[in-house]
Amino acid sequence: AQSVAQPEDQVNVAEGNPLTVKCTYSVSGNPYLFWYVQYPNRGLQFLLKYITGDNLVKGSYGFEAEFNKSQTSFHLKKPSALVSDSALYFCAVRDSNFGNEKLTFGTGTRLTIIP
Amino acid sequence: GAVVSQHPSWVICKSGTSVKIECRSLDFQATTMFWYRQFPKQSLMLMATSNEGSKATYEQGVEKDKFLINHASLTLSTLTVTSAHPEDSSFYICSAGRGTSGRTYEQYFGPGTRLTVT
Repeated sequence: AQSVAQPEDQVNVAEGNPLTVKCTYSVSGNPYLFWYVQYPNRGLQFLLKYITGDNLVKGSYGFEAEFNKSQTSFHLKKPSALVSDSALYFCAVRDSNFGNEKLTFGTGTRLTIIP
Repeated sequence: GAVVSQHPSWVICKSGTSVKIECRSLDFQATTMFWYRQFPKQSLMLMATSNEGSKATYEQGVEKDKFLINHASLTLSTLTVTSAHPEDSSFYICSAGRGTSGRTYEQYFGPGTRLTVT
């Protein structure tokens, strides 16, 4: 079974400060990891993914995430937060093994950037 | 590219009626389509996975006779909520998978459909 944990329901950050949204995962094989952002009453927007290669992944809107295999983590980061980054963020994982296409989502972290 | 649309974006229906939601991949052919349900302030829960031309695979606890899924082509999947009740009110999100050699490497999500059953 695969699972994702987002330990923080809510993260508040002052505008201009660095932000981190935490994610840890569990899969039986090698992971494919994703971050998505959701604005109110909207679907999910893709931010970035880790499939293989460099552990530091750069994505949309200045976000990046670091894959840490030993800690089974994939934390989302941004050096300088914007008010427009305020949204609901989901981490997701799937096993890289062929035949398992299902994504498992974390419970989400609501990020609020304080002006 | 990789745009997925859903129609309608919101719908209100009376209890006992059926509602159909369409999910289309606009600029690519999807190997697999997925249907999710999201309750307020909660995560996405996978309801079913569908491949073109075959029966959908439903997750445990999802009533296949109530949530009918048809995947008629590589660009269109539909979810029909039959005999809807107020507890079916939710935000329904579809995604379309794209990959190579039959593997779904990435899912692209639609904007969601807000269903309210009165």
